[in-house]
Formats: sequence, structure tokens, C-alpha cells
Amino acid sequence: DTGVSQDPRHKITKRGQNVTFRCDPISEHNRLYWYRQTLGQGPEFLTYFQNEAQLEKSRLLSDRFSAERPKGSFSTLEIQRTEQGDSAMYLCASSLAVRLAGGHGELFFGEGSRLTVL
Amino acid sequence: DQQVKQNSPSLSVQEGRISILNCDYTNSMFDYFLWYKKYPAEGPTFLISISSIKDKNEDGRFTVFLNKSAKHLSLHIVPSQPGDSAVYFCAATSSNNLFFGTGTRLTVIP
Repeated sequence: DTGVSQDPRHKITKRGQNVTFRCDPISEHNRLYWYRQTLGQGPEFLTYFQNEAQLEKSRLLSDRFSAERPKGSFSTLEIQRTEQGDSAMYLCASSLAVRLAGGHGELFFGEGSRLTVL
Repeated sequence: DQQVKQNSPSLSVQEGRISILNCDYTNSMFDYFLWYKKYPAEGPTFLISISSIKDKNEDGRFTVFLNKSAKHLSLHIVPSQPGDSAVYFCAATSSNNLFFGTGTRLTVIP
């Protein structure tokens, strides 16, 4: 299967601990996105990469959050000093940077990494 | 500030009937609209999209209608099937940032 894969699927941690999520995009996709989804809400944009360059960050991405895509392939999302408000589903998506109306096109999502902060 | 709104959190439809899911947006700069479907414990999957230069796009049982003057789009599923039961998200973009609605849970009753 060559879909987007995320690891771990579920992480339970205590407040104040650091957590890291990994995303492996579809291999030929050069864009990689991170979204966050809380209960009863739709996915909210956090950041995206084109190849290894991080091109946009949402103001939702506080300084406790850092995302990397060092070789333009897989990406990591690290949350430092977790807070209970960080509990959410963290979704990764990938796409080709093909110019369509709006420039966004279709995103292929992974199954998400659910974070529970106790 | 919710730029994309789905005001119906849930919808129930009999199998074989039409399902109509609605979505409103506030940002007139949006020029591309998408619908995603999400099953439990899975990520959202792309369903259908429409450019702002069109008012209708059809793909099999799924049709999306766009009314730019009303800033409204809708997804029609006909005939509805039990396998269509899922949460449907409307999304919109004008650049590289995709804005999602809060979703509508569709239940198709056999």
C-alpha cells in the first residue's frame, strides 16, 4: 500500500512531556501538510512543506510545536511541554504541487495520530 | 472565525433517496471547493471538487453545485446507499490553506 502512513496511531502522555509524530507521505508527492482535528470540528491547518521547505505556518502552531521534513520525504511533528488542550487528532496529508484552481487540489490524508494528554 | 460552515451536524436518509448536504462560506476569495468523506478511525478521503468558474460538477452518484452569489455549495448523492454513511466535510481554498467545515454525519437507512 502506498498511501500516507502515520505513526503512532495513538499516543497517551502526561502533561509537560514531549511527543513526536511521524508521517510518511505518498512517495511521489512533494507537498506535505499537517492538520489538527478536535472533537466536533473539521481539520484545521497547521503547516505545510514543499519538498524540505516549510512554506506556511498557521498561528495555531505555537512555539511549542515544531515540524520538520529534512530530506523532503517523511516529516515529524514535535510538541514540547504538552498541555491538555493539545489533545486532538493530528492528521498528515500529501499532494502533488500541481497547479489547479486555488492551487491546492486534492489532499491524500493519513489515518491520523490521536494524542491524549492527561 | 469559521469561514466554512456546515450548519447541519447530522442527516438521515432512506436508502435509494437523495442526500443533500449543504455548506456555506464567507470568504469571497475562495476559488476552489472540495468535499471529503470520513469513516471512523480513518483519515478524510477526497470525494469531489469544483472550481469557482463552474456551477456544477458531477461524478457518478455525486454532484456538487456551487452558487457563488449566495456563497453556498451543496453535495447531492443519488441514489443514497448504506455505504455512504460517513461524516462529510466541505472545504474551500484560495491558496495553499484548506479551510474545512465542521462536518455533517450522514446516515443512510437500509
